[in-house]
Amino acid sequence: KQEVTQIPAALSVPEGENLVLNCSFTDSAIYNLQWFRQDPGKGLTSLLLIQSSQREQTSGRLNASLDKSSGRSTLYIAASQPGDSATYLCASGTYKYIFGTGTRLKVLA
Amino acid sequence: EAGVTQSPTHLIKTRGQQATLRCSPISGHTSVYWYQQALGLGLQFLLWYDEGEERNRGNFPPRFSGRQFPNYSSELNVNALELEDSALYLCASRFGQGGNEKLFFGSGTQLSVL
Repeated sequence: KQEVTQIPAALSVPEGENLVLNCSFTDSAIYNLQWFRQDPGKGLTSLLLIQSSQREQTSGRLNASLDKSSGRSTLYIAASQPGDSATYLCASGTYKYIFGTGTRLKVLA
Repeated sequence: EAGVTQSPTHLIKTRGQQATLRCSPISGHTSVYWYQQALGLGLQFLLWYDEGEERNRGNFPPRFSGRQFPNYSSELNVNALELEDSALYLCASRFGQGGNEKLFFGSGTQLSVL
């Protein structure tokens, strides 16, 4: 049974800092790993998808890496901004998608 | 191109009633997923429909059910509502194959059971 864990549960940083969010999964038989952003009371917005054969993906200030052998993925956010404040979720992709409980990020101006 | 749409946005019911939530996937997407997100908790997988068939369900009681229509839209039914069913219900459609499957989410239906 796949279990997905995200650390830390919450993070508060000053504007401009680079930061790393962590995602761990127990079953490495995944198609892909997807990172999402969720604003309060809203749906999820897809940020990055890393296929199981890939090691990383980049979009703007975001970079996500995947290490299937260790069951880990990281989301790196460069030069954080107050607009980045949200909850970040990772999901392991198989025939169903299992989500971590998320990291609540607050970027202080 | 329209995204995933869910209706209603908010739904208020009393304990014991039935709730019906609706989802329209992005045009061309044949897979629909339903998730429950209770306050302070993560997304819990409810149901997966593909090509009109239920493919998998999560660890929820049978009073949670649904269906997918020929146009790939879907509805989630919750019977005999309980207070703990209060949550944000999210629908997602899936696109892609070969490891490039990506989920696209709607804005959700906030269900409140009084």
